[in-house]
Amino acid sequence: GQNIDQPTEMTATEGAIVQINCTYQTSGFNGLFWYQQHAGEAPTFLSYNVLDGLEEKGRFSSFLSRSKGYSYLLLKELQMKDSASYLCAVNDYKLSFGAGTTVTVRA
Amino acid sequence: GAGVSQSPRYKVAKRGQDVALRCDPISGHVSLFWYQQALGQGPEFLTYFQNEAQLDKSGLPSDRFFAERPEGSVSTLKIQRTQQEDSAVYLCASSLSQSSYNEQFFGPGTRLTVL
Repeated sequence: GQNIDQPTEMTATEGAIVQINCTYQTSGFNGLFWYQQHAGEAPTFLSYNVLDGLEEKGRFSSFLSRSKGYSYLLLKELQMKDSASYLCAVNDYKLSFGAGTTVTVRA
Repeated sequence: GAGVSQSPRYKVAKRGQDVALRCDPISGHVSLFWYQQALGQGPEFLTYFQNEAQLDKSGLPSDRFFAERPEGSVSTLKIQRTQQEDSAVYLCASSLSQSSYNEQFFGPGTRLTVL
């Protein structure tokens, strides 16, 4: 079976940094995606980690440790528009998602 | 169009009605996926097509759910005799090839409400 855990909610102040953790236990693994989803909209791609280590993309970075079954998404210089749900998804050609972490950015 | 499109965006059905949800993937994308997203949850896999072949339907919750992609492009998810527990957002995603390293691009979803 697939077991993917991430916190339900996080709140942070505009300009701050937030780290969203994701732990997984899955039967197959080809990599890990992070998606952003605003309410009522489609998930949009943020990052994809296949190998261990840190991937940096502007204000967003993602880290993967395959041996620990662990990933995190780091959001820097938070902006109000970053308020959304962040989904961790394990790729085994089909995606297995966590329940999502709702991030609220406050002024 | 540039992205994945789905129609209708919203559907209200009375319990027991049949519904059909349409997905237009990005042109040239070989792989197509359907996911079901309940309120406050992450998407759950339903089924997978590679071109017109349905290679995995292990996520379909019951035999009331049926999906097809007869010409390897547009796909339809059909739900027969809808039940209240079928209320959810149905997301379609496509990717360029069968490689598991390809990003899946999601459509905006169809929000189904069964009364």
